Amino acid sequence: QVQLQESGPGLVKPSQTLSLTCTVSGASISSGGGYYWSWIRQHPGKGPEWIGYVHYSGSAYYNPSLKSRVTISRDMSKNQFSLNLGSMTAADTAVYYCARYYYHSSGSTSYFDYWGQGILVTVSS
Amino acid sequence: DIVMTQSPLSLPVTPGESASISCMSSQSLLHSNGFQYLNWYLQRPGQSPQLLIYLTSSRAFGVPDRFSGSGSGTDFTLKISRVEAQDFGVYYCMQSLQTPITFGQGTRLEIK
Repeated sequence: QVQLQESGPGLVKPSQTLSLTCTVSGASISSGGGYYWSWIRQHPGKGPEWIGYVHYSGSAYYNPSLKSRVTISRDMSKNQFSLNLGSMTAADTAVYYCARYYYHSSGSTSYFDYWGQGILVTVSS
Repeated sequence: DIVMTQSPLSLPVTPGESASISCMSSQSLLHSNGFQYLNWYLQRPGQSPQLLIYLTSSRAFGVPDRFSGSGSGTDFTLKISRVEAQDFGVYYCMQSLQTPITFGQGTRLEIK
C-alpha cells in the first residue's frame, strides 16, 4: 500500500521560506515511468490548488502563479521529495498535501491516486 | 489557465435518492488522443481527496458503480445513484489536460 506523509513546521513567519518534506512508503520515487511527485495546497473552504511536481528524472514543473517562489526536489536515497516556498505571506496559509500523480504514456490514465493526510501551515508573526 | 466551474455549490440529498453535479471547463478538455482529461474527487470531512472517476467516465479501483461520470468538451456530470451515508462530503472536478492542473471550487453534498 502506497503511503505519503508530510512533515515540517506548522507555523511560519511572514517573509520566511516554508520547507516541507514528503516521505513515501510502499513505492519508490526512483521507479520511473509516469509518476510525478506532487505538492497541492488547499485554502480553507476552497478547492485544491496544484503547486507543482517533480519527476524521478529530476525535472520539475510548477504552477506559473507560484513559480517564482517554488522549488520542488527529490532525494531518492531517502525516498522523499520536498517543497520550498519562499516569501511566505498570510495568503499562503493553507493545508499542504503531497500526492502521487500518474500519467501513462498512452494517455489512458491521468490522476492523483495517493495523497498524504495534509499538514496545516499557518503564516503569522 | 483552464477555469473549472461547478454547480450547484451545495446539494441537499435524502439518502437513497440520486444526485447530479455539473462541472464546466473554460476550454475543451478533449486531447488529440481522444481522451478527455476530467477527473472527480470526493473529500470527506478531515480527509484528503480520493479519486472517484478519471478520464471523464472511468471509475477508480474500488469505487462502486453507483458513481458514474459523463460529458464531453466543456460540460461534464457526476451522477450518484442511491446516495449512501459515506457519500456525503465535498466533490471536486479536476482537469489535467494541461498544466497548471486546476480544480473546481467544490460541491458540498449534504444530508437533507
